[in-house]
Amino acid sequence: DTEVTQTPKHLVMGMTNKKSLKCEQHMGHRAMYWYKQKAKKPPELMFVYSYEKLSINESVPSRFSPECPNSSLLNLHLHALQPEDSALYLCASSQDGRGFVYETQYFGPGTRLLVL
Amino acid sequence: GDSVTQMEGPVTLSEEAFLTINCTYTATGYPSLFWYVQYPGEGLQLLLKATKADDKGSNKGFEATYRKETTSFHLEKGSVQVSDSAVYFCALIPSSNTGKLIFGQGTTLQVKP
Repeated sequence: DTEVTQTPKHLVMGMTNKKSLKCEQHMGHRAMYWYKQKAKKPPELMFVYSYEKLSINESVPSRFSPECPNSSLLNLHLHALQPEDSALYLCASSQDGRGFVYETQYFGPGTRLLVL
Repeated sequence: GDSVTQMEGPVTLSEEAFLTINCTYTATGYPSLFWYVQYPGEGLQLLLKATKADDKGSNKGFEATYRKETTSFHLEKGSVQVSDSAVYFCALIPSSNTGKLIFGQGTTLQVKP
């Protein structure tokens, strides 16, 4: 089973709202990722957690706050977003996350976010 | 730096036509290479992968061979179906231990009945 689940599927929020995106995997993977994807573009890496520790932050604005409560769960907390943050947010997981070249990332279906 | 270049789309084919989507890469050493597919309104699905030179990845009738000499990983399918209409991303993980997936720009495939 290579399933990564994400909730909610769609989210509409105002610029003053606080919301959270959730991602879950039960493959025993120890690395989880957040990506942002704009229409007709490839995904852009935001954060990487490896063994529940934040290992990569791609200079993401502080209005995005990741959290990894355990190796199966990944959250992305959103606060004071801008309309340009509207995008598809993808979660992924992989075996380890310590940079091995053979590692495969498995993606979830994404949360489509609209910021008004 | 490491990069992936894909042919620009959209690629429009009739059902049962032969498909080739070109992908070339720039990277030191021996990266791992991947093809991901994104159907309309969905996330990315791993289609196939290859981790060393001359490896052939295959899945659902799609194939790609890791060619070190030409730094290429072209995607092929002998007979496409309407259900293959999607965006296809070529990607690599460099051998430099960053673990970061580097994507090409994506190629949109439209298959008409």
